[in-house]
Amino acid sequence: SQTIHQWPATLVQPVGSPLSLECTVEGTSNPNLYWYRQAAGRGLQLLFYSVGIGQISSEVPQNLSASRPQDRQFILSSKKLLLSDSGFYLCAWSRGNEKLFFGSGTQLSVL
Amino acid sequence: GESVGLHLPTLSVQEGDNSIINCAYSNSASDYFIWYKQESGKGPQFIIDIRSNMDKRQGQRVTVLLNKTVKHLSLQIAATQPGDSAVYFCAESGTGGFKTIFGAGTRLFVKA
Repeated sequence: SQTIHQWPATLVQPVGSPLSLECTVEGTSNPNLYWYRQAAGRGLQLLFYSVGIGQISSEVPQNLSASRPQDRQFILSSKKLLLSDSGFYLCAWSRGNEKLFFGSGTQLSVL
Repeated sequence: GESVGLHLPTLSVQEGDNSIINCAYSNSASDYFIWYKQESGKGPQFIIDIRSNMDKRQGQRVTVLLNKTVKHLSLQIAATQPGDSAVYFCAESGTGGFKTIFGAGTRLFVKA
């Protein structure tokens, strides 16, 4: 069966510090991978998606970047965090254009 | 651009009653719709999906209805239970390739 791992679960970072969130998928090959952000009590905003190694599509111009160094690994990064980067970050995968399977999320607080 | 919206941000129902959560979409070219359930502090979980060539699909205690004429989607939960309390999102996919666009969500409260 397929599983998705996302870590850390909680992160508190000072403004201006770097960020690296990692997501890995097991049990499937060539998945589509996604990063979403969710503000408290709000919907999910698509940040990045990837259909293959090294292929990244950015949906929203911002202080974040994404990379896919391996088939089942997706990384969300920032060189300098802003207060507005706080939120609940969710990684997800799908087979083609099908339903998404989400990780457990990372609650990021930038102080 | 495309958007998927919800009519009601909060819905409160009595345990055992049926729940209906509504959703509107704006892109008439959308061809795949999904409902997700999100419990507090967790990632959304898939509930049920429907493609545009159907107008109804049933699962275990859940039914999704699609009205393409008025671009409306609904999720019906039969015999609502306390464990159904969560935020429910409708989502649209199929347009523009591999993006899934989520609505704002409806919080369902189940009163015992």
